[in-house]
Amino acid sequence: AAGVIQSPRHLIKEKRETATLKCYPIPRHDTVYWYQQGPGQDPQFLISFYEKMQSDKGSIPDRFSAQQFSDYHSELNMSSLELGDSALYFCASSRTEEAFFGQGTRLTVV
Amino acid sequence: DAKTTQPPSMDCAEGRAANLPCNHSTISGNEYVYWYRQIHSQGPQYIIHGLKNNETNEMASLIITEDRKSSTLILPHATLRDTAVYYCIVSAFTGNTGKLIFGQGTTLQVKP
Repeated sequence: AAGVIQSPRHLIKEKRETATLKCYPIPRHDTVYWYQQGPGQDPQFLISFYEKMQSDKGSIPDRFSAQQFSDYHSELNMSSLELGDSALYFCASSRTEEAFFGQGTRLTVV
Repeated sequence: DAKTTQPPSMDCAEGRAANLPCNHSTISGNEYVYWYRQIHSQGPQYIIHGLKNNETNEMASLIITEDRKSSTLILPHATLRDTAVYYCIVSAFTGNTGKLIFGQGTTLQVKP
C-alpha cells in the first residue's frame, strides 16, 4: 500500500540558510500534519492543513512556514536556520481517524 | 486534549503478551484513545484506536475500561521487533480536525 513520502530523507544545511521539506500524502488523504522531533524528545506538533487551508498550529517558529498545494502535497519552508533546528521532521496524512506518518527528513544544521 | 500517564519503561519476554497501561482520567466524551509506536527514529506507526468499545486488529488489542479513564494495549505475542516507544494519545482527532499530541510514552523492551 502507498505510504506517506517525504523528501529529502537527509538534509545538511548551514546556519542562516533556508531549507524546504516536502511531503506527499497517501492518495485521497486530504489532511497533512508536520511534526518536529529533536534528539531524545517526543514528536512535537507544528502545523496541519485540511483541504489546502491551515487547520491548526502548534509550536511552529515564525521562521517556518508551510502550505498544502492543489495536489495535496505539502512543503515546510524553514528560513534563517539555527543549530537548534536540527531534528527529525515528520509528515503525516489522514482522511479519517487514522493518521499515517512518513519516514521523516533528518535535518542537520551545521 | 486530555493528559495521559504511562510507565516510562517495561520489559517483556519474547513470545509473551505485552500489556501496556495508560491512564487518562480526564478524558472527554468525544475523545478517542490512540496508540502509536516509534521504532528508533522511524516515523510513528499507527497501531489502534478506540472510543469506548474494545478493539482488535492484526497488530494488537485495545481494552478500554467502562469509565474510559484507563486503557491497556495488548500485543499478544511480542517479538524482538516490537521493541519501541509506545505512545498512548487521547484526542478528539477526527482525521480532518484536531491533532495528535505525543507525550512521554512507554519504552517497551522485548527480551529473548
